[in-house]
Amino acid sequence: DTAVSQTPKYLVTQMGNDKSIKCEQNLGHDTMYWYKQDSKKFLKIMFSYNNKELIINETVPNRFSPKSPDKAHLNLHINSLELGDSAVYFCASSPLRTRATEAFFGQGTRLTVV
Amino acid sequence: AQSVSQHNHHVILSEAASLELGCNYSYGGTVNLFWYVQYPGQHLQLLLKYFSGDPLVKGIKGFEAEFIKSKFSFNLRKPSVQWSDTAEYFCAVNAGRDDKIIFGKGTRLHILP
Repeated sequence: DTAVSQTPKYLVTQMGNDKSIKCEQNLGHDTMYWYKQDSKKFLKIMFSYNNKELIINETVPNRFSPKSPDKAHLNLHINSLELGDSAVYFCASSPLRTRATEAFFGQGTRLTVV
Repeated sequence: AQSVSQHNHHVILSEAASLELGCNYSYGGTVNLFWYVQYPGQHLQLLLKYFSGDPLVKGIKGFEAEFIKSKFSFNLRKPSVQWSDTAEYFCAVNAGRDDKIIFGKGTRLHILP
């Protein structure tokens, strides 16, 4: 059983399109994250949700809108995609809200905007 | 604000060589520290973590790290590397009562067979 699963694994789309990436965790964790990994492998946190509530929004453009229908899911919707959005997006989850313990990562979604 | 510095961006070693990857963080209070590994084309996996207690932490695959509070460091070590250790290594920190885990920029390790 995959603990943190993301779909799709690969996503190729044109500039200006709107796309979504889904994430689900079956670990019973309270906190979920989205990270962006650029071409230089730099990992930057984008959002953190705890029990469906937005906790962290790291000055991400408002074209990016996370949605958490329940604490096991955190989806990422991106409007008006730009070339610079090309990256690998990782979903992660962690068991505690305060003093975050280790994060468990999904396999990543490689987004390519052409 | 928390930050993590990894000094070595790209390290090339021969098999059986010893490894030490540097990591420093900036935060004066209590921290949780992590090392993650990302094999080519794969997701991040936890190598080891430090929350409290013995500052010498042993992880999977023969890796260990030492937390030195006075130096704000958490260097990763392995006495004898293997070709299969070729990967990207990330140091990470969670500080205070923050919810987020901040990652360093990563060190690309390339092991020559």
